Amino acid sequence: KNEVEQSPQNLTAQEGEFITINCSYSVGISALHWLQQHPGGGIVSLFMLSSGKKKHGRLIATINIQEKHSSLHITASHPRDSAVYICAVNQGAQKLVFGQGTRLTINP
Amino acid sequence: EPEVTQTPSHQVTQMGQEVILRCVPISNHLYFYWYRQILGQKVEFLVSFYNNEISEKSEIFDDQFSVERPDGSNFTLKIRSTKLEDSAMYFCASSEEGGTGNFGPGTRLTVT
Repeated sequence: KNEVEQSPQNLTAQEGEFITINCSYSVGISALHWLQQHPGGGIVSLFMLSSGKKKHGRLIATINIQEKHSSLHITASHPRDSAVYICAVNQGAQKLVFGQGTRLTINP
Repeated sequence: EPEVTQTPSHQVTQMGQEVILRCVPISNHLYFYWYRQILGQKVEFLVSFYNNEISEKSEIFDDQFSVERPDGSNFTLKIRSTKLEDSAMYFCASSEEGGTGNFGPGTRLTVT
């Protein structure tokens, strides 16, 4: 069974700061996902990664398969980035195991 | 942009009652999922559905749960006899090719 650990659990930063959220997992995977959960509860998929790096706007996600580790970076953070960021890994073709989430607060 | 929709947004039911949560996936999507999130806890995978059958399910998805795609557009989750611990937010998602998919807004189920 795969265990997914995220760090930190909570992160508060000032607007403009560079943000890094980390995710580690215990068993080899086919893909890793980053999701964003808004304060109202809605969930949006941000990235699906199986290797290397992906970038979308100010968001960058990287994965190191050998180290079983992924990072989500946010450049030039903004208060609207405040949300819970969730890492999830595939266990099986469709089944996902989720991390507990990182609550990010960006202060103006 | 097409969206996954879910009804109702909030369902209150008494313990032991049956509930059906409804979802309308994005029309050209082929994979359908149900997830749940108990308040303050992490999101949990319940079940995936492809080609009119369950493709994977978690340990949570026991005999009390069932899914159906009754008419080619709706995707439903039925809980036969609700328990207090079934209180949670239930998210439906759909995707073209697998992955996490596009999430619906969720149905908050409260069992009293």
